[in-house]
This record gives sequence, C-alpha cells and structure tokens, in this order.
Amino acid sequence: GEDVEQSLFLSVREGDSSVINCTYTDSSSTYLYWYKQEPGAGLQLLTYIFSNMDMKQDQRLTVLLNKKDKHLSLRIADTQTGDSAIYFCAGGGSTLGRLYFGRGTQLTVWP
Amino acid sequence: GAGVSQSPSNKVTEKGKDVELRCDPISGHTALYWYRQSLGQGLEFLIYFQGNSAPDKSGLPSDRFSAERTGGSVSTLTIQRTQQEDSAVYLCASSFPGGDNEQFFGPGTRLTVL
Repeated sequence: GEDVEQSLFLSVREGDSSVINCTYTDSSSTYLYWYKQEPGAGLQLLTYIFSNMDMKQDQRLTVLLNKKDKHLSLRIADTQTGDSAIYFCAGGGSTLGRLYFGRGTQLTVWP
Repeated sequence: GAGVSQSPSNKVTEKGKDVELRCDPISGHTALYWYRQSLGQGLEFLIYFQGNSAPDKSGLPSDRFSAERTGGSVSTLTIQRTQQEDSAVYLCASSFPGGDNEQFFGPGTRLTVL
C-alpha cells in the first residue's frame, strides 16, 4: 500500500507563506489530496491534484506535484491565524477506494 | 442531512466493555469509510463499504472490530472487549461511488477507554 510521510510541525508569522511538504511511495494514487483539520472538527477537503498534473492553484493555495521524486507540496500564501490547523496529505484513486493519509502537519501561525 | 453525522460525539467506557459507534452518511453516497485517528498519528483506514459489494475489511486491527451497513445507509462500528489502545477518534466518511470522488468526513467520535 501507499506510505505517506509529512513533517509534523510548521510555524510561520502571519502574512508569510507556508509550505507543507509530503512524500509518498506508491505511484498508483490517481489523486493526491490536502485536507485541513481544525481542533475538534472533522477533516475538510482543501484541494486536490490529479496525478498527471504538475501544479494547481486555487486562490491562496498552490499545489505542486513532482512525480519523479514522489513529492507533493501545499503552499499557502499570506497565511492567516485562521489557517492554524493540522494539514493532511492523502493519496487515493479509483482503484484504491480508501485514502492513504500522512500523519499530518501542525501549522501554527503567529500574529 | 447536510453532512455526515456521527454519534455519540464522545464515549467513555471501561476496559472490557463493548461499544457501538454510529455513522449517518450523506444521502445518495453509496461509499462509506471508517478511519481511526490516534493521538499524534495519521488516519488509519479501518473498513470501506461500496454499495452492495463485500466490504473491504483489510484495515480492521483485530477480530474485536466489526462493522455493518444496513440498507446501504447507516453504518455501525462495533468494538468488543475494548482495550486502552482502542482510545482514538473514529472518523466516518462518505462519497459517491468511485475512489475519485471527494470523501466527506463527519466530526468523529472520541472514544476513551479507561
């Protein structure tokens, strides 16, 4: 199965950009996802990228995918204190059904 | 309903007791997933239901864990003879058929085994 790795912690100042990184081992994922989890809440899908794309931009969010290195990143521009949360990278797709999640990156934004 | 709902939101039980966790998926979603989130860990897949197909139980950690889905809608996850290591947040998600579709997550049930 898929093995997904993420760094556990990231701290940034409000207004700076945040970059959260993720690596995965298996190329069978059709889609790669970023989920956000706020305290006491379930997971919310932020964005996703199809495995044959290199980049996707969605307002303040930019997803970069390097298929050769099996590396995925999420960049949040102009990070706000409301962006403080745990961010999960996940792989999945039509042949898998279930998602494979990383352990999550705790993003802390300082005012 | 507007989203996936789970009950109870919190459950405290004594070691050795059985517990049942409930998930109500979004209407029309034929796929339903259970995940477990332990402290400091990522989400661990438990079981996946898709329509009338046999469920994918490959993630269930032991035979104390079982799940069923009645009428293709509500699902119940049962943990028998609970152990302290079962303490975690149990998350349910649902989606339209096909793994390419977005999985919508419920708020989870926080289980504490004393």
